[in-house]
Amino acid sequence: SAVISQKPSRDICQRGTSLTIQCQVDSQVTMMFWYRQQPGQSLTLIATANQGSEATYESGFVIDKFPISRPNLTFSTLTVSNMSPEDSSIYLCSAAGGPNTEAFFGQGTRLTVV
Amino acid sequence: DQQVKQNSPSLSVQEGRISILNCDYTNSMFDYFLWYKKYPAEGPTFLISISSIKDKNEDGRFTVFLNKSAKHLSLHIVPSQPGDSAVYFCAASAMDSSYKLIFGSGTRLLVRP
Repeated sequence: SAVISQKPSRDICQRGTSLTIQCQVDSQVTMMFWYRQQPGQSLTLIATANQGSEATYESGFVIDKFPISRPNLTFSTLTVSNMSPEDSSIYLCSAAGGPNTEAFFGQGTRLTVV
Repeated sequence: DQQVKQNSPSLSVQEGRISILNCDYTNSMFDYFLWYKKYPAEGPTFLISISSIKDKNEDGRFTVFLNKSAKHLSLHIVPSQPGDSAVYFCAASAMDSSYKLIFGSGTRLLVRP
């Protein structure tokens, strides 16, 4: 199994600002993903973070709002840009070793935008 | 369109009895299914998975059943313990979708002492 460290664990931010969330995995992984969990709802995939190339975004999510970096096989960042209160959510980093293997999750970043 | 559905938002079970959590899916391309448990303020924790070539997988107190014709899977917990109280998510992935996980809406399980 992989251990995933995410930081910050929580933050309160002013609207219009940006926050970068970091995700560090303790081993090299093939696949990394970013999810959002809005209050009382399920986990929604934002994008797949591809090592060495641009992230692949899901419908409803765009690079200008959620730029993602993945410089190597153990690290990724998600930036939530120009935040509004609607961006208040838990953001989760996930990593998997390959197809048809379990994905592991970080503890999440609880973001509140005021 | 919700591809993975958990129609029961909550379930309450007596300690020692069986807990059965259900999940339905619509995408016939899904070939790998997982169950996760989530406590408040923590990330989801992987519990058990099943490939579409199987119809059952066991791991200790946890068993997952897959009925492909009905596009239905279930998680059985026997015996249930108070520490099992959490939100349970089912998830599915497909080889043609870069193996990303699609999650259901979750079922909150309460195991009463």
